[in-house]
Amino acid sequence: GAGVSQSPSNKVTEKGKDVELRCDPISGHTALYWYRQSLGQGLEFLIYFQGNSAPDKSGLPSDRFSAERTGGSVSTLTIQRTQQEDSAVYLCASSLAWGAKNIQYFGAGTRLSVL
Amino acid sequence: AQTVTQSQPEMSVQEAETVTLSCTYDTSESDYYLFWYKQPPSRQMILVIRQEAYKQQNATENRFSVNFQKAAKSFSLKISDSQLGDAAMYFCAYRDSGSEKLVFGKGTKLTVNP
Repeated sequence: GAGVSQSPSNKVTEKGKDVELRCDPISGHTALYWYRQSLGQGLEFLIYFQGNSAPDKSGLPSDRFSAERTGGSVSTLTIQRTQQEDSAVYLCASSLAWGAKNIQYFGAGTRLSVL
Repeated sequence: AQTVTQSQPEMSVQEAETVTLSCTYDTSESDYYLFWYKQPPSRQMILVIRQEAYKQQNATENRFSVNFQKAAKSFSLKISDSQLGDAAMYFCAYRDSGSEKLVFGKGTKLTVNP
């Protein structure tokens, strides 16, 4: 597609429920990144993918968070047993490659509200 | 760990005037990249400008330019001839050459007054 697409745009859920957030990167981009933007913590890195593998998961805050990428394209970020502190905007970015060619282009994010 | 500091939570500028947003960073690396991103109310982060640390020449993109002072670890953004559409949150970000993740500052909210 023309840009990074994320769905849903907004998600309201109840505490304890599982949620899935989707990211569709720019066509041809091999690297994909997830960040979280919350009021108290600013923008934090969560995980990144090279193709379908995730060399760096260091930002995932707990084992309730997981992500996968299939076919070198779409990625899903799953949060299990959501807590109120998970409320944030989850941003996805993609880049043509990594290293020197790592210029990240972002989607509009998913705003997650946990009641 | 690398950190990025934006000391101005909010700034305002008159339309057509010039404004400078500050950013400092802390790193022990010598090879890295610096970025300014703009985030309007639509939430989409838009890349404004980037700078490679090994390049001494300051990057420019139309009305946007940076003042990169490597020794001082400073990377400020200058917006010339400010326009109403420039109003947004601006984030400074750092990435060292051995990592793929961006480290962001807390952001500066820019208001452009007509």
